Parts: sequence; structure tokens; C-alpha cells
Amino acid sequence: DAKTTQPNSMESNEEEPVHLPCNHSTISGTDYIHWYRQLPSQGPEYVIHGLTSNVNNRMASLAIAEDRKSSTLILHRATLRDAAVYYCILRDGETGANNLFFGTGTRLTVIP
Amino acid sequence: KAGVTQTPRYLIKTRGQQVTLSCSPISGHRSVSWYQQTPGQGLQFLFEYFSETQRNKGNFPGRFSGRQFSNSRSEMNVSTLELGDSALYLCASSSGAGLAYNEQFFGPGTRLTVL
Repeated sequence: DAKTTQPNSMESNEEEPVHLPCNHSTISGTDYIHWYRQLPSQGPEYVIHGLTSNVNNRMASLAIAEDRKSSTLILHRATLRDAAVYYCILRDGETGANNLFFGTGTRLTVIP
Repeated sequence: KAGVTQTPRYLIKTRGQQVTLSCSPISGHRSVSWYQQTPGQGLQFLFEYFSETQRNKGNFPGRFSGRQFSNSRSEMNVSTLELGDSALYLCASSSGAGLAYNEQFFGPGTRLTVL
């Protein structure tokens, strides 16, 4: 499985944008980049995914580097509810396998 | 649409016993994956079932097994429990179409404590 590297923790002030980085230098051409987050005492939840182009949805934006070796999850205005562990995951586009490799993720703390 | 449900939510067992956990996926979803989450190892993939067949398997001993029924509900079983099996067991469902952009929907988990 292609691996990802994320900072262990980050802090953000409430109402400010947050940029969560992810390095995936061994990404293959068919790997999709997925982000999930896990709020305290809950199962993970899907945030966003992308392949080559930047993506936006109601929760966040995903910026993907041109060489695809890194990506950034952007929360435009952090709220207290966004405090969670964020996981950057690569999914094999050829098999579509559901065996997600979560890694250690980034614990985001939102300061009121 | 109801989400993924897991039963029971909490379970206490003793070493050597066996346990069965249940997962009901979102209606229409045919893929069910199981994960183990511990403070030391994080979230680790156990196995995935699709249309009653195991499609992927993680690196866990044979004491961990699962099955899926024709209605897509899934069970996982752990035999001869060890202290290290204490964990949060999470189930996730997806449409199972084998597409890498399909999201997985996770249940709230079953907290297993082995004494």
C-alpha cells in the first residue's frame, strides 16, 4: 500500500482557515487521494477525495500538487466541531479495494 | 436512510472466550469492511466482504473471522480472546462497486474489553 505522511497535530483558531498537509511521494498514477476524519467517540467519516484536480465540497477543499506527491485539505472556517483526527488515505484506482490504510493522521485542535 | 448500525455497542469478555459482533450496512450497500482501532496500532483493516464472499483480508491471525449474509449484514468472530484484542471494532459499508472514489460509511463501533 502506498503510504502517506501527515503531521501528528495542528492547532487552529476558530473561524480561521486550516490547511492540513499530506505527503504521498510514492503515489501511483491510479491512486485516489481520500480524506476521512474521526470526531471523538465516533467512527471515521468521509470528507473529500480527488485524483488530479482540486476539489471542493460543502465540507472542505482538496488541493492536489501538480506532481501529485502531496495534497492539502483546506477547511475554510474552522469550527469547534471540526476538532478531530484527519486521515489522508490513498485508494487503488485499479482495484477500488475497500481496505483503507489509515496511518496515524493529524489531530486538529480548534481553539475558541 | 438509516446509517450503519453495530451491535452490541459495548462488550466485556474474559480471556479464552469467543465473541461475535454484528454489523448492518446501509440499505443497498453490498460491501462491509471491518477495522480494529487500538491506541497503539491505530485503525487497522481486518477484512472486507462483498456479496457473501471475503474480498480482501488484512494481516490478522486466523482467530479473527467473518461472514456476510445474503441481506449484506455481516458478523465478525474472534475466538480464544486475548487481552490485546481489547479495542474498538468498526464496521464500514459502501456500495461495493469496486470504485476507488466510493466513500465508506462507518458505524459507531463496538467497544470490546477483554479481562
